[in-house]
Amino acid sequence: GIQVEQSPPDLILQEGANSTLRCNFSDSVNNLQWFHQNPWGQLINLFYIPSGTKQNGRLSATTVATERYSLLYISSSQTTDSGVYFCAVFSGGYNKLIFGAGTRLAVHP
Amino acid sequence: DGGITQSPKYLFRKEGQNVTLSCEQNLNHDAMYWYRQDPGQGLRLIYYSQIVNDFQKGDIAEGYSVSREKKESFPLTVTSAQKNPTAFYLCASSIWQGAKNIQYFGAGTRLSVL
Repeated sequence: GIQVEQSPPDLILQEGANSTLRCNFSDSVNNLQWFHQNPWGQLINLFYIPSGTKQNGRLSATTVATERYSLLYISSSQTTDSGVYFCAVFSGGYNKLIFGAGTRLAVHP
Repeated sequence: DGGITQSPKYLFRKEGQNVTLSCEQNLNHDAMYWYRQDPGQGLRLIYYSQIVNDFQKGDIAEGYSVSREKKESFPLTVTSAQKNPTAFYLCASSIWQGAKNIQYFGAGTRLSVL
């Protein structure tokens, strides 16, 4: 089946720093989403981004489908950005979202 | 408020007991999903349903059962056959548009074994 790998697995930042999270996938996909799981477990949709670039405030994402990767940028990080960031891809052949293992982010004041 | 409501937030199961987790959505979404998350891990699909009265097994369906009698509701039963049920369970829903399947999640239920 399709493999989704996220890096780095863990990331510690000082408030105000920038970071880049990466998601690699092993096969062509027609749907890619980024989620943030807060410390209470709630998953929040960040981006639906099968290709191209999108921005939402301090967050932006880029997917290069032909090269099978996506990047999530966090600028001027805040303590509320802490949590786990998941990338998930939808492969029509499997008819389901497949999640990576996540990147755990801790932002310290 | 529109959204997905999971209940209870915390649930304890005794040995040999079946327990049912509730998931209700008022987003008028066609599709609903159940995922299991173990500590430090990603999400794994248990069951999903694209329409009422139909559902499909996901990757880890053994020891679980579901029903979809109403569009708004997709309860998950963790049966006694599930020997390691302690986990965080997340319900999601989406409009079924093929590849454009954007899923929205409830707040989750934490299940522990007594």
